[in-house]
Order: sequence, then structure tokens, then C-alpha cells
Amino acid sequence: DADVTQTPRNRITKTGKRIMLECSQTKGHDRMYWYRQDPGLGLRLIYYSFDVKDINKGEISDGYSVSRQAQAKFSLSLESAIPNQTALYFCATSDPDRDHNQPQHFGDGTRLSIL
Amino acid sequence: QKEVEQDPGPLSVPEGAIVSLNCTYSNSAFQYFMWYRQYSRKGPELLMYTYSSGNKEDGRFTAQVDKSSKYISLFIRDSQPSDSATYLCAYSGGSNYKLTFGKGTLLTVNP
Repeated sequence: DADVTQTPRNRITKTGKRIMLECSQTKGHDRMYWYRQDPGLGLRLIYYSFDVKDINKGEISDGYSVSRQAQAKFSLSLESAIPNQTALYFCATSDPDRDHNQPQHFGDGTRLSIL
Repeated sequence: QKEVEQDPGPLSVPEGAIVSLNCTYSNSAFQYFMWYRQYSRKGPELLMYTYSSGNKEDGRFTAQVDKSSKYISLFIRDSQPSDSATYLCAYSGGSNYKLTFGKGTLLTVNP
């Protein structure tokens, strides 16, 4: 079983709809992240959470919100979807070490299309 | 100047070739260096991770870091068709959370 699981894997929806993407992890990591990936733009950070009570905006948070329901669960919502939010969305986790900044581990993504 | 520049590719090589993938960076605060591999329709997968200048080897893969030149490379020896993927360099620095990614290089290894 995957350590970082994203649902759904694919979603097609219409402009103006509310959408929730879910992420769960079995790695026991405290830190969780949401990214979007667009051709030619690479991976961009939307939101991140260091623990259940700590949620922070990334570089492109406008139009998105998140909820950290538990250590293992981190959801991303698009309140009113628009076509330029069509992208690949990835959840990631990490386990920081005081001496080294541990790398992040990614799920397999959600392909979201907004018509 | 962009924080991270990665050779855009695409790169196409015959099976068995030595592949060199490269990134440069401008932020002196970057201390940790990673290479991710991403297959089509999959998430990025951590391939190599290092925090010191020099070489780190893992099987057919060698990560090279030159902090003085702000340059990192990934070498793949005896490349295989299964190495065909997009390779992403990534950096982080200090105590913060943030990874900065290159835009990726698409590699195709032809049988």
C-alpha cells in the first residue's frame, strides 16, 4: 500500500463547483504539503502544515483552503473552481530532523480538470 | 536571476549511455540537495539526497554537488529504458519547510 494516498486520482468538474481533494499518510510524519504542478511552471507550494494546529500559506494559496483533520489527513479545497486551477495536485509529507531538513515524500497526485 | 535553473531537455539517449542532468541555483542559503524522479502519471519519487559538496553514489546513480559554483548534477551510468522519466532537482535551506524545485528534465532512454 502507498504511504501517501490521494483521492480522487482524477476529477473533472465545472466552473464554480466546490471540490475537495484528500490526502492520507501512513508514514507518521508531522509535516504535510499541497502542491500543484503545471507544464512549464514546475511544482508550486499551495499550503503546508507542520502539525494539526499549524497551517500556513504557500506561494499560491489564493482560491484554495485546507483542513488538517488529524496527523494523517490533510485536505485541499477549491471553494469555487475556475479553469486556470486545472492542474496536477500533489500531497507530500516530511519528517524534519533538527540537524537536516528531511526531504519530502509525494503521493501519486490528483489530475483535476475544470471545464 | 531565477533561484533554480535546470537544463530543460528533453534528452534522448541510447541504452547504456551515461546521462548527465544539471541544475544551478542562486540562493546561498540552500544547504540540502535532492534529485527526484517522476514517471508519467506518478508523483515525484526521491532518488538521491545530500547536504555536502562532493559525490554521493547509489548504484548506477551519482549525485554531485559543488556549493562554491552553486551547481549540482546527477549522473546515470549504463542507462536503461526504465530510467525514462522526468528528473527534478530540489533544494532547501536553513530551518524552513520550503523545497525549491527545478522545472524538470524529460529523459528518454531508447532500447
